[in-house]
Amino acid sequence: AQKITQTQPGMFVQEKEAVTLDCTYDTSDPSYGLFWYKQPSSGEMIFLIYQGSYDQQNATEGRYSLNFQKARKSANLVISASQLGDSAMYFCAMERQRGATNKLIFGTGTLLAVQP
Amino acid sequence: EAGVTQFPSHSVIEKGQTVTLRCDPISGHDNLYWYRRVMGKEIKFLLHFVKESKQDESGMPNNRFLAERTGGTYSTLKVQPAELEDSGVYFCASSQVRVPYEQYFGPGTRLTVT
Repeated sequence: AQKITQTQPGMFVQEKEAVTLDCTYDTSDPSYGLFWYKQPSSGEMIFLIYQGSYDQQNATEGRYSLNFQKARKSANLVISASQLGDSAMYFCAMERQRGATNKLIFGTGTLLAVQP
Repeated sequence: EAGVTQFPSHSVIEKGQTVTLRCDPISGHDNLYWYRRVMGKEIKFLLHFVKESKQDESGMPNNRFLAERTGGTYSTLKVQPAELEDSGVYFCASSQVRVPYEQYFGPGTRLTVT
């Protein structure tokens, strides 16, 4: 069965330090996508970064990078130089690219608190 | 460019009543999705429209939930009659019909059934 596991319900990090949010996934699909979304206290879901299962290089978007280890089925999010505005809930999600449907399967999320 | 919008932002209804949630996707996005997050649990897929057609409704919990997408534009999700376990945040997302199908989410509707 397809599943996303986020084992860290909450994390603390000091401002300006780097932090890694863990995500492991389980799928038998040959092709899939991995996403990270940020949900601040205001409630909206903000897309951060995407990694395709056939991408050879790890995805990067500004201060966000995705440490993709396909053999271990992990897709950890690394945030460099944390800022106070990074405090939010972070969700890892997998996109099932099967036929014409591509629904997202989400983990339970990690609540990140950046401390000054 | 306007993002995905949802209305209302918050709804409080009594058990047995009917509620209709609305989602306006980003203009030009043929894919429209509904998701739900029940308190403390993960966000779960409900259904997927491509234009006005239901592509996948495997996540719809039961026949008390009815989703429509008129003319392939906005979508509504009706819950009738509402039960206590329907409380949660209902998200709508939309995407273009091309890989990687990045889904843009709306702010969600918080539904409370009392």
